[in-house]
Order: sequence, then structure tokens, then C-alpha cells
Amino acid sequence: GQQVMQIPQYQHVQEGEDFTTYCNSSTTLSNIQWYKQRPGGHPVFLIQLVKSGEVKKQKRLTFQFGEAKKNSSLHITATQTTDVGTYFCAPGSGGSNYKLTFGKGTLLTVNP
Amino acid sequence: DGGITQSPKYLFRKEGQNVTLSCEQNLNHDAMYWYRQDPGQGLRLIYYSQIVNDFQKGDIAEGYSVSREKKESFPLTVTSAQKNPTAFYLCASSIGVRSNQPQHFGDGTRLSIL
Repeated sequence: GQQVMQIPQYQHVQEGEDFTTYCNSSTTLSNIQWYKQRPGGHPVFLIQLVKSGEVKKQKRLTFQFGEAKKNSSLHITATQTTDVGTYFCAPGSGGSNYKLTFGKGTLLTVNP
Repeated sequence: DGGITQSPKYLFRKEGQNVTLSCEQNLNHDAMYWYRQDPGQGLRLIYYSQIVNDFQKGDIAEGYSVSREKKESFPLTVTSAQKNPTAFYLCASSIGVRSNQPQHFGDGTRLSIL
């Protein structure tokens, strides 16, 4: 499956600060999905990006897919304590590739 | 409500024992998956199944076995050959086995060694 580097591994912010996590691949991706896992919980699908340069928003969350389709980012504006959790990117290489390969995730903690 | 049910939530295994983790879905999804998650790590694929009576090894299949006799069910057996089984096990399903299909996860089973 695809190998990706997700950075940073950990991020601690004060409530109200912004947060960004990055997912980088050495190869071109067909698509990329993002998941959130709350502490003690299970991953929950957030969004999928497919097109080069695509930008999607969900309230305070902004997802981007790079022009070369080799990287992606998730940006959270004005973090809240409810944003705490681990954010995973999961890229796909398309074609007959059945697998998502999950990055190691970025653990976000928010100080109220 | 549609979803994925994993049981038990916590499981303890003795040395040399096989244990089976249950996963049931009522989403009518064709594809099902088993992942292992260790602290601070991402999800690693153990096995997946595209259709009834068919399954394929993932990246870390050694020491595990599965069956898919019904569309709704995909149990995972952790055998005594798996020397480091302590982990959080997650079952997931998707409409089909393609990388552009979102996956839906169960609540997981935490397995520990006694």
C-alpha cells in the first residue's frame, strides 16, 4: 500500500488557536481520506478528496489536496476542546488497489 | 440503527490460547476489514474480505485467522502463534473493496495477555 508521512505526531494547542496536520507521499495518490479518532474511540470518516488542488470545508475544518496529488492537509480554525483526538490521513493509489493505508496520525490536545 | 458491532469490548488471553473476536454489521456492506492498533501507531491491516467465502491477507496476517461464512459476520481468531497480541482490534466495513470507499468502524476490542 501507499506509504505516507503524517506530521506532526503530536500537537498541543490552547483553545482558540489554529491547528494543521500534514500528510505527505512520495507517489501520486488517487484519493485521500481523513478520519478522526477520539480518545478511547474508533476512527470516524470525515471527508474524501479526489481532485488535484481540491479544497473542502466542514465548519471550522478545511481539507486540501495538493496540486500534484502527493500531499494533503487538515486545518482547524479556532480549536475547541471537542476537537481533541487523533487525526489520520488514509491515501489510496486507485486502480485495483483495494487498500487504504493509514498514516500514523496526529494527536491533538487542546488546553481549555 | 445501522452499524458495526464488535464483541467483547475487553478480552483477556492466556498463554497458548486461541481467542475469537466477533464483528457483525447490518449495513449490507460487501467488504469487511480487521485492523490492529498499537499505542501511538496507525491502523495496520490484518485481513480483509470482499465477499462471502473469500478473504485476503493484509500486512500483518501472521498469527491470525478469519472466516466469512455470512455477509454480516467476519470473526477474527487470534491464535497462540501470535506472540504479541496485546492491542486494540478494530473491525470495519465498506460498500466495496476499493480505496475510494469510506470505511465504517466498530467500537473495537481491547485484547490483553494474562
